[in-house]
Amino acid sequence: GENVEQHPSTLSVQEGDSAVIKCTYSDSASNYFPWYKQELGKGPQLIIDIRSNVGEKKDQRIAVTLNKTAKHFSLHITETQPEDSAVYFCAASMGYGGSQGNLIFGKGTKLSVKP
Amino acid sequence: GAGVSQSPRYKVAKRGQDVALRCDPISGHVSLFWYQQALGQGPEFLTYFQNEAQLDKSGLPSDRFFAERPEGSVSTLKIQRTQQEDSAVYLCASSLPQTPGYTFGSGTRLTVV
Repeated sequence: GENVEQHPSTLSVQEGDSAVIKCTYSDSASNYFPWYKQELGKGPQLIIDIRSNVGEKKDQRIAVTLNKTAKHFSLHITETQPEDSAVYFCAASMGYGGSQGNLIFGKGTKLSVKP
Repeated sequence: GAGVSQSPRYKVAKRGQDVALRCDPISGHVSLFWYQQALGQGPEFLTYFQNEAQLDKSGLPSDRFFAERPEGSVSTLKIQRTQQEDSAVYLCASSLPQTPGYTFGSGTRLTVV
């Protein structure tokens, strides 16, 4: 089955710096790659996603890149702010319909943004 | 409602006790997923419903775990004879069919003592 590896497990940056989190996946059939932000005591919240027919997607300060050949994808956060501090999870699935939508998550990255 | 609602938020159970966790998905969301999140880990898939039909239960760790969604809206995850290894946050998520991105609830934190 699918396996998602995520690095680093912890990341500390100064406010205003960029943060990059990387994930690799094992199953070439995976074609949907969302990123979730989880704050303490809350459920994961979708922040950006990408499908396998797209190489890059950007939404304001957040961008995701996908390399299908190498089976890895990355989250880029620019101009980090203290409120970006949270645990970030990457995930992969073979689609988003029905049972194909089961997400396989990485182990998470705890991002700390220091003022 | 505006979001996915889960109750209770916290549950402490004695080992061997049965528990029931409730999920109220967003109105109209056909797809409903349950995930288990151990401390410091990513969520792990338990089971999936499309309306009232449980189409995938491959992630349920043992036959002590049972989920239902009898009317295609509210879902209940039941754990019988709880064990310490069942301690985790149980997350429910819902979505429209063929629509990317789930909406997760805040979860139920289960502690088995």
